[in-house]
Amino acid sequence: EDQVTQSPEALRLQEGESSSLNCSYTVSGLRGLFWYRQDPGKGPEFLFTLYSAGEEKEKERLKATLTKKESFLHITAPKPEDSATYLCAVQAGGQNFVFGPGTRLSVLP
Amino acid sequence: GAVVSQHPSWVICKSGTSVKIECRSLDFQATTMFWYRQFPKQSLMLMATSNEGSKATYEQGVEKDKFLINHASLTLSTLTVTSAHPEDSSFYICSAIRTSQETQYFGPGTRLLVL
Repeated sequence: EDQVTQSPEALRLQEGESSSLNCSYTVSGLRGLFWYRQDPGKGPEFLFTLYSAGEEKEKERLKATLTKKESFLHITAPKPEDSATYLCAVQAGGQNFVFGPGTRLSVLP
Repeated sequence: GAVVSQHPSWVICKSGTSVKIECRSLDFQATTMFWYRQFPKQSLMLMATSNEGSKATYEQGVEKDKFLINHASLTLSTLTVTSAHPEDSSFYICSAIRTSQETQYFGPGTRLLVL
């Protein structure tokens, strides 16, 4: 059975304090790994898609990396506006996505 | 980026009534649309997958007679919650993809409160 876990469940950072969020997965035949950002009361916003181990993508203060078992979302010098829930999802053999439980990030000024 | 809209953004209804939620892909044709349900501080729970012109595929434990899904065109899917009860109160989110290789683009969600 395809599974996705994320850690930590919640993370509080001071503004400027860099850190990483983890997404671990077990799937049969990974087609893609996706990162989303979700603000309270809103739908998820697409951030990155990673397809193969070793791939990296960057967007502003965010950088996503992928290995055969996990993905990391690195946040460099975060700002309060980066506070959100970050969701990881994998797409395996079918077209459905399996979502992780998310990491709630709070960046304090 | 691709834009997906949902209507209404929130709805309050009485127990026993039916509620229809629309999901539209505004600037692309969606071969597949997904419907999710999300409880507070929890992740997305896939309810069903719908392909244009065919019957929706429901996840285990989701009542297809209660949650009616119609994907009548490549830009519109609707979710109807029939005979709604307070336990159906939740945040419903749809998403759409163009091809099986692309990411899902999510709508802004619809908050349903059943009194």
